Amino acid sequence: GAVVSQHPSWVICKSGTSVKIECRSLDFQATTMFWYRQFPKQSLMLMATSNEGSKATHEQGVEKDKFLINHASLTLSTLTVTSAHPEDSSFYICSAREARSSFYEQYFGPGTRLTVT
Amino acid sequence: QKEVEQDPGPLSVPEGAIVSLNCTYSNSAFQYFMWYRQYSRKGPELLMYTYSSGNKEDGRFTAQVDKSSKYISLFIRDSQPSDSATYLCAMSVAGNMLTFGGGTRLMVKP
Repeated sequence: GAVVSQHPSWVICKSGTSVKIECRSLDFQATTMFWYRQFPKQSLMLMATSNEGSKATHEQGVEKDKFLINHASLTLSTLTVTSAHPEDSSFYICSAREARSSFYEQYFGPGTRLTVT
Repeated sequence: QKEVEQDPGPLSVPEGAIVSLNCTYSNSAFQYFMWYRQYSRKGPELLMYTYSSGNKEDGRFTAQVDKSSKYISLFIRDSQPSDSATYLCAMSVAGNMLTFGGGTRLMVKP
């Protein structure tokens, strides 16, 4: 089946620094990738959608200059949390979808736990 | 009020029991309904997909959608310890953005 990996699986950083999270589709070409954030015991919240080679579309309330997304290839998307603060501590999950797939056929990565101290 | 409500649980059942997981929602425009299973420290995986109202069965899993009541259910028959996970419902209006419930943690005890 389709596999999506994320790296790192967890990261601790100091307040004010930037953190980059990678999302890779290992055995298929992901024309669309999604980035979600999940707080403890809460639902996944869509942060942004990116299509390969295009600018990402951020959801309302998600600062595009703070959460930078790059989807430069069909197998890799990156999320950079710039000037991270403790309130950015969360579980970040990406998902990927192939071209011609139904919208619900998103394959999720295992997530990255970010802790900002 | 959240668009999609889901009891967080935990729901603890003995092995072999029938499990009923539910979500309610407020947006009558939702047309697409999904159930995902999420194991600890893993991303969600799609279990069931239903369009509009009705039932859908896949092995031990049955998904039901009642749009008149804005209520969806997932039934698991003959539950197994390996079914222990968090179950997330998700919905979509036009087949694009997914709106998730908060998830219900299920524990199936041997």
